[in-house]
Amino acid sequence: KAGVTQTPRYLIKTRGQQVTLSCSPISGHRSVSWYQQTPGQGLQFLFEYFSETQRNKGNFPGRFSGRQFSNSRSEMNVSTLELGDSALYLCASSTDRGGTEAFFGQGTRLTVV
Amino acid sequence: GESVGLHLPTLSVQEGDNSIINCAYSNSASDYFIWYKQESGKGPQFIIDIRSNMDKRQGQRVTVLLNKTVKHLSLQIAATQPGDSAVYFCADGGNAGNMLTFGGGTRLMVKP
Repeated sequence: KAGVTQTPRYLIKTRGQQVTLSCSPISGHRSVSWYQQTPGQGLQFLFEYFSETQRNKGNFPGRFSGRQFSNSRSEMNVSTLELGDSALYLCASSTDRGGTEAFFGQGTRLTVV
Repeated sequence: GESVGLHLPTLSVQEGDNSIINCAYSNSASDYFIWYKQESGKGPQFIIDIRSNMDKRQGQRVTVLLNKTVKHLSLQIAATQPGDSAVYFCADGGNAGNMLTFGGGTRLMVKP
C-alpha cells in the first residue's frame, strides 16, 4: 500500500512570493493534517482537513491556508513568504475518526531567501 | 495553551542496553498518545500508540507506559540497536479530530 506522498521534496522561494505544496494521503484515508517543523519551534500543527472541510486549525497567520479535494488530496498555500517560513512541511494521513494512527510523508523542505 | 514536553533532549546508550524516553503532557482530557521516530531527512515514523484506558502497551521491542495521574508517558526500547538512533517524539492526540501536539523531541544516540 503506497504511503503518504508529498511534492515537491525541495523548494527555494524568494521572500514575498507564494508557494503551494501538495499531499496525497494513503488510499482510503480521508483526513489530512499539515505540520511545520523548524529547529526552534519543533513540530507545530497547521490545520486538518476532512471531507474537503477544515476540521481543526492551529495558531498560524492567515497567510497559511489549505484545501482538500474530493479525492482527499490536499494542498497548502503560503502567501507573502517570510524568511521565517523556511521549514520542513509535513503532511499526515489518518482514517476518518480522530484518535487514530497518523502516518507522515517525507515532507517538503521550503527555503525562503 | 496545552503542551507536551520532554525531560531530556539527548540520550546516549550502549548498544544492547534498554532505553527509556520520557514525556510529560498537560492536557488532562487527552485520550490518545503516539510515539514517533524521525531519522534525518525523513518524516516521523509511527512507532506505537496508547489510549487513555490503558496504562501499558507493548510492541516489537518497544513498550509505552502511560501514567494519567501524573500525566507522564514513557517509551522503552529493549536491546537498543544502532538503527534505533534517531529523534523520538511523543504526541498528544487530544480528544477530537486528528490534531497532534508534539513534544520537543529526544535524540537517541546508540554507541556500538
